[in-house]
Amino acid sequence: AQKVTQAQTEISVVEKEDVTLDCVYETRDTTYYLFWYKQPPSGELVFLIRRNSFDEQNEISGRYSWNFQKSTSSFNFTITASQVVDSAVYFCALSEAGGTSYGKLTFGQGTILTVHP
Amino acid sequence: NAGVMQNPRHLVRRRGQEARLRCSPMKGHSHVYWYRQLPEEGLKFMVYLQKENIIDESGMPKERFSAEFPKEGPSILRIQQVVRGDSAAYFCASSPIGTGKYEQYFGPGTRLTVT
Repeated sequence: AQKVTQAQTEISVVEKEDVTLDCVYETRDTTYYLFWYKQPPSGELVFLIRRNSFDEQNEISGRYSWNFQKSTSSFNFTITASQVVDSAVYFCALSEAGGTSYGKLTFGQGTILTVHP
Repeated sequence: NAGVMQNPRHLVRRRGQEARLRCSPMKGHSHVYWYRQLPEEGLKFMVYLQKENIIDESGMPKERFSAEFPKEGPSILRIQQVVRGDSAAYFCASSPIGTGKYEQYFGPGTRLTVT
């Protein structure tokens, strides 16, 4: 069965610090997809990134970067020069490509990030 | 902006009443997923539907919960005889195809409070 673990329940940093959110996953499928979502205090879920299991290239989008390592089953998320607006709960999620998965997402427990001014 | 729409945003029900949560997917999306977020917990998959079909309801509680996605109109998540433990945020997500190849776009959620 698939599983996503976000070991960091809460992280607190001061503005402009870099912060890395860890995500470790388990799956038996060879083809799968990994996601990060942001849930700000307003409560909605904002899609950040999708990665497929065959693409281990790291990705950078502005202050955000993602490090995907199949060897350690990890998909970590780094925010560079954090800002107060980055304060949110961040969820890592996994979707298997198998026939009966239908794309449903398995989420980690989430990491609460608080950025202090 | 034709994003995923959910209503109501907040719903208060007394124990024993029925709760109906509605979800209109993004334009062009015919695949809908429902997830539940209990307090202090992550999101858990409940059910996956296509138009007029329930494809996977492996995450739905066996009793009191049902879902539908009719040919016309929004998807409905129905909770009968609500109990306090049903208090949670219920999110709907839609996708153009029912595989992980495409990201799911989430609605703003319905926060259900059972008193």
